[in-house]
Amino acid sequence: AQSVTQPDIHITVSEGASLELRCNYSYGATPYLFWYVQSPGQGLQLLLKYFSGDTLVQGIKGFEAEFKRSQSSFNLRKPSVHWSDAAEYFCAVGAGSNYQLIWGAGTKLIIKP
Amino acid sequence: DGGITQSPKYLFRKEGQNVTLSCEQNLNHDAMYWYRQDPGQGLRLIYYSQIVNDFQKGDIAEGYSVSREKKESFPLTVTSAQKNPTAFYLCASTSGYGTDTQYFGPGTRLTVL
Repeated sequence: AQSVTQPDIHITVSEGASLELRCNYSYGATPYLFWYVQSPGQGLQLLLKYFSGDTLVQGIKGFEAEFKRSQSSFNLRKPSVHWSDAAEYFCAVGAGSNYQLIWGAGTKLIIKP
Repeated sequence: DGGITQSPKYLFRKEGQNVTLSCEQNLNHDAMYWYRQDPGQGLRLIYYSQIVNDFQKGDIAEGYSVSREKKESFPLTVTSAQKNPTAFYLCASTSGYGTDTQYFGPGTRLTVL
């Protein structure tokens, strides 16, 4: 069965430090991969997505993610976090022909001043 | 500006009552979705609709009902059969393919009193 794992429930990072949020997936074919961000009490906003091609994907707000097929991973990175990056981040996998996304449980990012 | 609106933002329900959550989009998207979000569980799919007058159950459809009479509208009714309805509800839409970006509304927080 398809699944998405975000191993870290919470991550605390100092402002200005680098960030990496982990996402591992289980899917038999080439996946369609997404990272979304959710501010408290708000809807979700797409940060970036991978469908094919270059495995390093650039997104909004200075985020990037790298697809590693051998590790079944799609980790999200940012070289220097800002206090405004404090939010919850969700990884999702698209299963191709159907209309559903499989969602990870989310990682809450806390920024230390 | 195009987008998705959900109303109300906060909703309180007494035990045994049905309530309807509104979702409207002006993105001209074919597919629409309802998700439920509980802390630490990510997003769980309730129902989705690919076209007008057609919809499918998601993973947790019991106690919920939907209709899709117009392309731009996809209301969700939380019935008295839903035993634990207190949650954050998110509506989303996409242009018609499961691998395309899902755009989210701001959400409705439902609390059962």
